[in-house]
Amino acid sequence: AQSVTQLDSHVSVSEGTPVLLRCNYSSSYSPSLFWYVQHPNKGLQLLLKYTSAATLVKGINGFEAEFKKSETSFHLTKPSAHMSDAAEYFCVVKLGNYGQNFVFGPGTRLSVLP
Amino acid sequence: EAGVTQSPTHLIKTRGQQATLRCSPISGHTSVYWYQQALGLGLQFLLWYDEGEERNRGNFPPRFSGRQFPNYSSELNVNALELEDSALYLCASSFGDQPQHFGDGTRLSIL
Repeated sequence: AQSVTQLDSHVSVSEGTPVLLRCNYSSSYSPSLFWYVQHPNKGLQLLLKYTSAATLVKGINGFEAEFKKSETSFHLTKPSAHMSDAAEYFCVVKLGNYGQNFVFGPGTRLSVLP
Repeated sequence: EAGVTQSPTHLIKTRGQQATLRCSPISGHTSVYWYQQALGLGLQFLLWYDEGEERNRGNFPPRFSGRQFPNYSSELNVNALELEDSALYLCASSFGDQPQHFGDGTRLSIL
């Protein structure tokens, strides 16, 4: 069965320090992987996506993620956290080649301390 | 381009009533997904519609239902509302194998 694990339910960093949000997946297929961000009382916004091209994917707002097949990981990083990055982050794996199901991880809440 | 729009923003109902939530997808998107985000429970998949047909359904009782119209907009109906139905209901749309784009949700409160 396909699944997504986000290893930390809550991550707290200081402003200006690096961010690392961890995601591992299990999938029988070569997956499509995504990271979304959700600010309070808002919908989810796509940060970046991996679809079997370059393994290092750059997204919006300075975020990037690296696909490591051997480790079945897709960790999200940012060199320097900003206060506006405080939000909930979801790692998502897409099953199949057309539409179908998107499996969401449980989410990681990122807090940024001044 | 206009994003996914959901209405109403907030909806307050009492137990036993019925609620209707609406979603307009991004122009050109044929798939609409509904999710429930209850406090502390993460994102739970409800329904997936594509080209007017229900393609998949999450583990929710039959009182959660919906439909997709010829213009690809969608409605989610929840009958016999219960207190635990209080949540943020999110709609997303996509086309083909492209990522989902989300609306800002409808906050449903059951008194």
